[in-house]
Amino acid sequence: QSALTQPASVSGSPGQSITISCTATSSDVGIYNLVSWYQQHPGKAPKLMIYEGSKRPSGVSNRFYGSKSGNTASLTISGLQAEDEADYYCFSYAGDRVFGGGTKLTVL
Amino acid sequence: QVQLQESGPGLVKPSETLALTCTVSGYSITSGYFWAWIRQPPGKGLEWIGNIYHSGSTYYNPSLKSRVTISVDTSKNQFSLNLSSVTAADTAVYYCAKEGGRYSPPGTWGQGTLVTVSP
Repeated sequence: QSALTQPASVSGSPGQSITISCTATSSDVGIYNLVSWYQQHPGKAPKLMIYEGSKRPSGVSNRFYGSKSGNTASLTISGLQAEDEADYYCFSYAGDRVFGGGTKLTVL
Repeated sequence: QVQLQESGPGLVKPSETLALTCTVSGYSITSGYFWAWIRQPPGKGLEWIGNIYHSGSTYYNPSLKSRVTISVDTSKNQFSLNLSSVTAADTAVYYCAKEGGRYSPPGTWGQGTLVTVSP
């Protein structure tokens, strides 16, 4: 089964930009770009922020941007706000469906 | 607007079977889409368990496949999860979710329900 590796934590100050990476052990991510990103606040269900690598569902701020390079997908959040502080998970659904380990974003 | 709600026992004994139901409102399961279960142990990350199509076709996480059964009851607009031979490692918040298609991620989620495995 493929695996997705994320950094355990990232941080940034309000107004800054941060990027969270998600590296796949298989080539599925690179070939099919079927990666999504979720935001999860404590005690809440995850919220879909990005799908198909770079598409935003209706209602998601354009401060959230998804991209891909080779087998690594990335989520960039620009203009950091206090409410962006949360856990973020990538999810690959090209072959096996698997989540990354999650990244805790701290807004300083 | 589609809404999902998990229900079932909050406490299960070791070696027994965990059984949860997800009730879907605002959409008929028979109209399509895939319906999934995902779990999250306390303080840990998300794990995709499996999904089912309204026709009954299923796809399971290989690491759980031997213990998982997902079924659908179209008459009640519900789908269910059975996880057998549970241990403390199965203690988690269990979420049900709607997936838009074979190549779509979980989009709409239920609020989740905590299941604790303990004597």
